[in-house]
Amino acid sequence: EIVLTQSPGTLSLSPGERATLSCRASQSVSSSYLAWYQQKPGQAPRLLINGASSRATGIPDRFSGSGSGTDFTLTISRLEPEDFAVYYCQQYGSSPRTFGQGTKVEIK
Amino acid sequence: EVQLVESGGGLVQPGGSLRLSCAASGFTFSSYWMSWVRQAPGKGLEWVANIKQDGGEKYYVDSVKGRFTISRDNAKNSLYLQMNSLRAEDTAVYYCARDGILWFRESYFDYWGQGTLVTVSS
Repeated sequence: EIVLTQSPGTLSLSPGERATLSCRASQSVSSSYLAWYQQKPGQAPRLLINGASSRATGIPDRFSGSGSGTDFTLTISRLEPEDFAVYYCQQYGSSPRTFGQGTKVEIK
Repeated sequence: EVQLVESGGGLVQPGGSLRLSCAASGFTFSSYWMSWVRQAPGKGLEWVANIKQDGGEKYYVDSVKGRFTISRDNAKNSLYLQMNSLRAEDTAVYYCARDGILWFRESYFDYWGQGTLVTVSS
């Protein structure tokens, strides 16, 4: 099973700042089969990125994903008030599909 | 508009059973793999099970094998999760989710329901 480790656990930033979230895999994720999700309190997760760098339908271009192999990054170029949430990475290159433990982006 | 609506959650005693349902609309249900994903209170996400378009293939996370059964009824656009021998550690919000890649057993989840809470406690 591939273990995904996200860092940092919490990111304290102000609106307008840049957020950089990391997801490291215990072994290589084949074909960059990595996704990112956003979850707000009391809501279901929302798909942001698949294939490590492809934005899902309707996702603003301030969200971008990069990386390959074992190291992946989600970048939010300029934080909007609605971006403060928990973010999860997920790999789907091998079974079972697994998620990282999440990074909380909070208002500083 | 894609919609997934779960139901059937509630309070159940350890060792008990519960059946979750997910009603799908806004897309061709029979064309997609479908999954259940859970989230324990205050914790992260865990994929639980998925099922192929025709129901002919089913996969489970090790912790629920032999206790949970995923099924679907394409005529009713519905997904189910039969949960038996429930344990305290099964307490979670259970989400119905659509697998985003039609032809691949492992995928990202492109649409999610709002979730239904299952609490296992005496």
